[in-house]
Amino acid sequence: EDQVTQSPEALRLQEGESSSLNCSYTVSGLRGLFWYRQDPGKGPEFLFTLYSAGEEKEKERLKATLTKKESFLHITAPKPEDSATYLCAVLGGSEKLVFGKGTKLTVNP
Amino acid sequence: SAVISQKPSRDICQRGTSLTIQCQVDSQVTMMFWYRQQPGQSLTLIATANQGSEATYESGFVIDKFPISRPNLTFSTLTVSNMSPEDSSIYLCSLRGEGTSTDTQYFGPGTRLTVL
Repeated sequence: EDQVTQSPEALRLQEGESSSLNCSYTVSGLRGLFWYRQDPGKGPEFLFTLYSAGEEKEKERLKATLTKKESFLHITAPKPEDSATYLCAVLGGSEKLVFGKGTKLTVNP
Repeated sequence: SAVISQKPSRDICQRGTSLTIQCQVDSQVTMMFWYRQQPGQSLTLIATANQGSEATYESGFVIDKFPISRPNLTFSTLTVSNMSPEDSSIYLCSLRGEGTSTDTQYFGPGTRLTVL
């Protein structure tokens, strides 16, 4: 059974204080690992797809990396508008997207 | 990526009633999905709805409770039947990308349902 574990559950940062979110996964036949951002009461917003170990993708202050067992979402010099819940999900041979419980990020000004 | 819209965006309903949620996409897609997100929880897949075939439900979800229609490649509905307070959740429509991004899933804005 595919599984995704995200840590920490919640993270508080000061504006400008860089950090990383972790996503550990087990999956049969990885087809892709996905990062989403979700604001309260809204649907998840797609950020990145990673397909193979060693792959990296960047978007503004966010950088996602992938190994064979985990993915990291690095946040550089975050701003208060980066506050959201960040979701990690994997798609494997089951054809079903499996989500972690998310990391709630709060960035204080 | 395709633009996904849902109606209604939110609703407050009485127990025992039913609500139909609509999902409209601005392009034709093969695979559509319905998810539930209970308060403070992550997303749980309810069913997969492909045009021209019966929806496939996940364990714990049944057609009598969550009937789904998929009349064409741009539209789907999810009905939450005989509602109870435990059905209070955000319901999300999702599609899988076509063409070069066939594995990436995109989500609608969600329908926030409160059952009293």
